[in-house]
Amino acid sequence: QKEVEQDPGPLSVPEGAIVSLNCTYSNSAFQYFMWYRQYSRKGPELLMYTYSSGNKEDGRFTAQVDKSSKYISLFIRDSQPSDSATYLCAMKGVTGGGNKLTFGTGTQLKVEL
Amino acid sequence: DAGITQSPRHKVTETGTPVTLRCHQTENHRYMYWYRQDPGHGLRLIHYSYGVKDTDKGEVSDGYSVSRSKTEDFLLTLESATSSQTSVYFCAISDSGVGTDTQYFGPGTRLTVL
Repeated sequence: QKEVEQDPGPLSVPEGAIVSLNCTYSNSAFQYFMWYRQYSRKGPELLMYTYSSGNKEDGRFTAQVDKSSKYISLFIRDSQPSDSATYLCAMKGVTGGGNKLTFGTGTQLKVEL
Repeated sequence: DAGITQSPRHKVTETGTPVTLRCHQTENHRYMYWYRQDPGHGLRLIHYSYGVKDTDKGEVSDGYSVSRSKTEDFLLTLESATSSQTSVYFCAISDSGVGTDTQYFGPGTRLTVL
């Protein structure tokens, strides 16, 4: 069983829809949680970073963490065609050398006009 | 891409040949990482470096070696490439390696081993 599980999609939604992307994890040592966005044939870029349970909002994006359920989510409001990309969740513990991240496999999102 | 370049960006090679990929950063960050990305596996760490000449293995290090002789450069070498090493390789950097420090990724190198 992988430490981080993420539905690979693809997920197709109409423009303007609310998108919910999710990851579950099994390692209770994970304390820091990230979402990366990756456009086709590009490197991942950091989108959101949280380290406590609850919600964090940045424009149209909201990251949600529920440590008791080992579940994290990324919500995209008023989705746009430019949001079409693969979204990767990533997480790490407090201790452990090298700032090593554990990634989900990514969810491919397509926002249709 | 946060001052990170990778070279080459694309490479096709044959089984058994040595291959070296280069990552160069202009951010003076202490940590550098090599990942590979494959369908169904996501990003997996190959090796990382926490300073000049200081490196350690990741989860998929077999068949790969690394070197870091300068802060700005991190080299990944496939001593004898195999078809299973066909992948997209990403370099990443981070500053302190602790707490809320995070990783920034380069544009990637697409490697095909025939």
